[in-house]
Amino acid sequence: GQNIDQPTEMTATEGAIVQINCTYQTSGFNGLFWYQQHAGEAPTFLSYNVLDGLEEKGRFSSFLSRSKGYSYLLLKELQMKDSASYLCAVLDSNYQLIWGAGTKLIIKP
Amino acid sequence: DVKVTQSSRYLVKRTGEKVFLECVQDMDHENMFWYRQDPGLGLRLIYFSYDVKMKEKGDIPEGYSVSREKKERFSLILESASTNQTSMYLCASSLQAQERTDTQYFGPGTRLTVL
Repeated sequence: GQNIDQPTEMTATEGAIVQINCTYQTSGFNGLFWYQQHAGEAPTFLSYNVLDGLEEKGRFSSFLSRSKGYSYLLLKELQMKDSASYLCAVLDSNYQLIWGAGTKLIIKP
Repeated sequence: DVKVTQSSRYLVKRTGEKVFLECVQDMDHENMFWYRQDPGLGLRLIYFSYDVKMKEKGDIPEGYSVSREKKERFSLILESASTNQTSMYLCASSLQAQERTDTQYFGPGTRLTVL
């Protein structure tokens, strides 16, 4: 079956760095997305990786290793507004998005 | 900015009622999707549509139907609501059918409670 694993919850301190991991086992691979979802709101797009390596976008970076079925989202200089759930999703060989359950990130002052 | 709107943020219905959830996007997107989101589970695809009057079943279509009569509007229908359909329903759209890796843009969600 197809599976996306990410930690259920993480806690970090304001100003620090946090890495949210995502591992996947899917039938084929056509890219990996990260979305941010604040409580009670819609998911919003953060990043898309299809090639191995690190993509940096401001305070957020996303890394992909296709051979290991692994990605992470790195958040630097954490702010209170970064408290949210972070969703990992993989496009499989049929171009269907397979979603992880999300990681709830709690930022403490 | 892409805008995806959903008809209601919160909805309470009785078991057996017919329920309509409406979604409208204003950016001429070809693809539209309906998901449900439950605690501890990832987003699960109910139905999607890549063109007017076209629809495809997702992972969990049972108990649901959809309608896409106009490009900008995608409706989700619960023919006879049941308590296990209590959930958050999210609509999404993306730009081009050929660009299968295109980003999906989400509406604010409808939290449906079936009593």
